[in-house]
Amino acid sequence: DAKTTQPPSMDCAEGRAANLPCNHSTISGNEYVYWYRQIHSQGPQYIIHGLKNNETNEMASLIITEDRKSSTLILPHATLRDTAVYYCIVRVEAYGQNFVFGPGTRLSVLP
Amino acid sequence: DAGVIQSPRHEVTEMGQEVTLRCKPISGHNSLFWYRQTMMRGLELLIYFNNNVPIDDSGMPEDRFSAKMPNASFSTLKIQPSEPRDSAVYFCASSLSGRGGEQFFGPGTRLTVL
Repeated sequence: DAKTTQPPSMDCAEGRAANLPCNHSTISGNEYVYWYRQIHSQGPQYIIHGLKNNETNEMASLIITEDRKSSTLILPHATLRDTAVYYCIVRVEAYGQNFVFGPGTRLSVLP
Repeated sequence: DAGVIQSPRHEVTEMGQEVTLRCKPISGHNSLFWYRQTMMRGLELLIYFNNNVPIDDSGMPEDRFSAKMPNASFSTLKIQPSEPRDSAVYFCASSLSGRGGEQFFGPGTRLTVL
């Protein structure tokens, strides 16, 4: 799997948008970008994924640059419950393939 | 759906004892993954199964670790004998191939080996 680079930590004010960047400059054409998060003491939770088009669901939006070398996860109105470690992962969407988790970004949402 | 179920949630044992961790995947899912998480090494994949068959066990640290999946609704991860360095949170996850590869994680088992 291609390697990703994320800032180790970020702060965001409650109610504001949280924009979490991820660099994946060696991504292959058939690799998807996945985002997971892990709230303290819980198992990782799927957020969103995409190939090249921007994606949006009830949790977040994913913006992928045209060259696919980077992406941004957007939490439109961050709450205190969004404080977590956010993982950006790239991988082929193949049968039963595993995820390789890096250190992620620790997002702290501040009141 | 109850989600991925793991038991026990906490386990404290003494060095040398056998430890068995259990996982019930989400009904209908055909892939199951065991991960270990520590402060030093982060989240690591130990082994994963597709349709109850082990596919990749290259992450299993050594022969003291073994995993089985006797049927589609149950898996175990066994450590025998356990050592203090095995202390970690062990997560089980399951997925349905063809659904974008999204994995659903259980709450984890916190293992402490004294």
